[in-house]
Amino acid sequence: EVQLVQSGAEVKKSGATLKISCKASGYSFRYYYIHWVQQAPGKGLEWMGLVHPKDGRTVYAEKFQDRVTMTADTSEDTAYMELSGLRSDDTAVYYCARATGNSADNWGQGTLVTVSS
Amino acid sequence: AIQLTQFPSSLSASVGDTVTITCRASQGIGSALAWYQQNTGKPPKALIYDASSLHSGVPSRFSGSRSGTDFVLTIRSLQPEDFATYYCQQFNSYPRTFGGGTKVDI
Repeated sequence: EVQLVQSGAEVKKSGATLKISCKASGYSFRYYYIHWVQQAPGKGLEWMGLVHPKDGRTVYAEKFQDRVTMTADTSEDTAYMELSGLRSDDTAVYYCARATGNSADNWGQGTLVTVSS
Repeated sequence: AIQLTQFPSSLSASVGDTVTITCRASQGIGSALAWYQQNTGKPPKALIYDASSLHSGVPSRFSGSRSGTDFVLTIRSLQPEDFATYYCQQFNSYPRTFGGGTKVDI
């Protein structure tokens, strides 16, 4: 069974850096893209970017380009998303998702991040 | 960036109804479109890929179609567990944009 298990909820101060993990199991981690998606409270889904574990290739959305770093550790089958310079509008649930073909077919449970001043 | 416009943004329906949700792309994306269902407080669940192919385990009452840059998700014989928010996402180019969502409620 494919599973993506994310790290737990976080409370951060404005200006801090966030790092969320996404532990994969049940498939060959290195061969599938991992996407990251932000969902602000009561809002829709926003694509942040992706990482390919095998070669570390990344693509970031322009909105997050200057503040986000996505990595993958194939020895631990874990992907990471780091977001720096946190501000109040980064308060959201963050999801990782495995992508295959033209779909994200398996999603993590989500990580709630609260940014306070 | 490709924009995906979903409509309606919300709709009311009853158990047993057939509902349709449209996702319009701002430019051609071929069939590189996925649909997801999200219940409150839960992660999205993949329903459809390549515009019209059902993911394994998804009930056959869900179907997807494409006409040019318009994509339609149809849910036949609506069940209680289908009351949720639905999103489309394109996989043609970066960024992999989502539609704004359609909330289906009673």
